[in-house]
Amino acid sequence: DAKTTQPNSMESNEEEPVHLPCNHSTISGTDYIHWYRQLPSQGPEYVIHGLTSNVNNRMASLAIAEDRKSSTLILHRATLRDAAVYYCILRGSGAGSYQLTFGKGTKLSVIP
Amino acid sequence: DVKVTQSSRYLVKRTGEKVFLECVQDMDHENMFWYRQDPGLGLRLIYFSYDVKMKEKGDIPEGYSVSREKKERFSLILESASTNQTSMYLCASSSGGGVSYEQYFGPGTRLTVT
Repeated sequence: DAKTTQPNSMESNEEEPVHLPCNHSTISGTDYIHWYRQLPSQGPEYVIHGLTSNVNNRMASLAIAEDRKSSTLILHRATLRDAAVYYCILRGSGAGSYQLTFGKGTKLSVIP
Repeated sequence: DVKVTQSSRYLVKRTGEKVFLECVQDMDHENMFWYRQDPGLGLRLIYFSYDVKMKEKGDIPEGYSVSREKKERFSLILESASTNQTSMYLCASSSGGGVSYEQYFGPGTRLTVT
């Protein structure tokens, strides 16, 4: 399985943008890039996903490098509620690609 | 909104007991999953099911079994609980089709085996 590499931890000031990086140099052409986050004492929740183009939704933006070997999750204005562990996950699109393989993620701390 | 519920938030069991963890989803999802989460190890997939009565082993199935008799319910069974099964257990569900395969997680069950 293609692996992802993320920093163990990051800090951000409240109200400022946050850029969470993810490297996935062995990504295959059909792998989707998914991001989940896990707030303290909760199960993970879906944030965003993409294949080649940059994506936006109400929670975040996903910027994907042209060679797809890296991506960045962007939180436009960090709030205290965004303090969580963020997971970058590669997922195939073929039949049977049901699994999500979670790495250790990036623990984001938001400073008031 | 999709809802995934788990039968207990906290559970304490003794070594050797048979333990049932129940998970129910209300969105008619085909796929259901059981993970465990341990500090420093992240989430690891135990079993998943892509249809009623179907199951597939995940990365760490040893010591566990599962049951899916109805589409909305997926049970994780610890036949003889051991202390190394003390963990946070997370259930998830997803639609079988579509590009997203977004998984929806329950709140988790923190199991302690003494």
